[in-house]
Amino acid sequence: RKEVEQDPGPFNVPEGATVAFNCTYSNSASQSFFWYRQDCRKEPKLLMSVYSSGNEDGRFTAQLNRASQYISLLIRDSKLSDSATYLCVVSIVSWGKLQFGAGTQVVVTP
Amino acid sequence: EAQVTQNPRYLITVTGKKLTVTCSQNMNHEYMSWYRQDPGLGLRQIYYSMNVEVTDKGDVPEGYKVSRKEKRNFPLILESPSPNQTSLYFCASSYQGDQETQYFGPGTRLLVL
Repeated sequence: RKEVEQDPGPFNVPEGATVAFNCTYSNSASQSFFWYRQDCRKEPKLLMSVYSSGNEDGRFTAQLNRASQYISLLIRDSKLSDSATYLCVVSIVSWGKLQFGAGTQVVVTP
Repeated sequence: EAQVTQNPRYLITVTGKKLTVTCSQNMNHEYMSWYRQDPGLGLRQIYYSMNVEVTDKGDVPEGYKVSRKEKRNFPLILESPSPNQTSLYFCASSYQGDQETQYFGPGTRLLVL
């Protein structure tokens, strides 16, 4: 079983719509959670951290559910530029170890 | 400009021919890491280094070597490449204590025939 699992998609979203997707993790000792964005096999870039209380960054909202061991990302008012693969990242130990999901592809269409 | 650089960006080689992929960062980061990315599997950590002369295995270290003689450089060595090492490779770096915010290089696409 993979440590971090994501629906690969693609999620086809009309411009201006809202899209949400989840990521599940298997290790209950996981401490930190993040979403990275990757454009077309380019380098991943940190999108946002995910805090226990949930957090927003502009049109992006991240939630953490420790009881069910998943995190979510919601994108409001989708832009064409939001088309990318979103990687769920979980930190298993406090140093040196990140576990990446395989990514969820989002395609925003005009 | 703060960046992580990798060379080469693209490489086609043959089985058994030793190769080195270089990685360099100019941000004075203590932590550096190598990942490979394969379809459907996500990024998997190969090796990481917490500082000069300190390296450790990640999830998929077999067939790879690394060294960290200088803080800025973290080369990845394939002593005898095999076709199953065909992949997209990323180097990343971060500050100690903030390893979750990793800065990635542009990637190296390797094809082993």
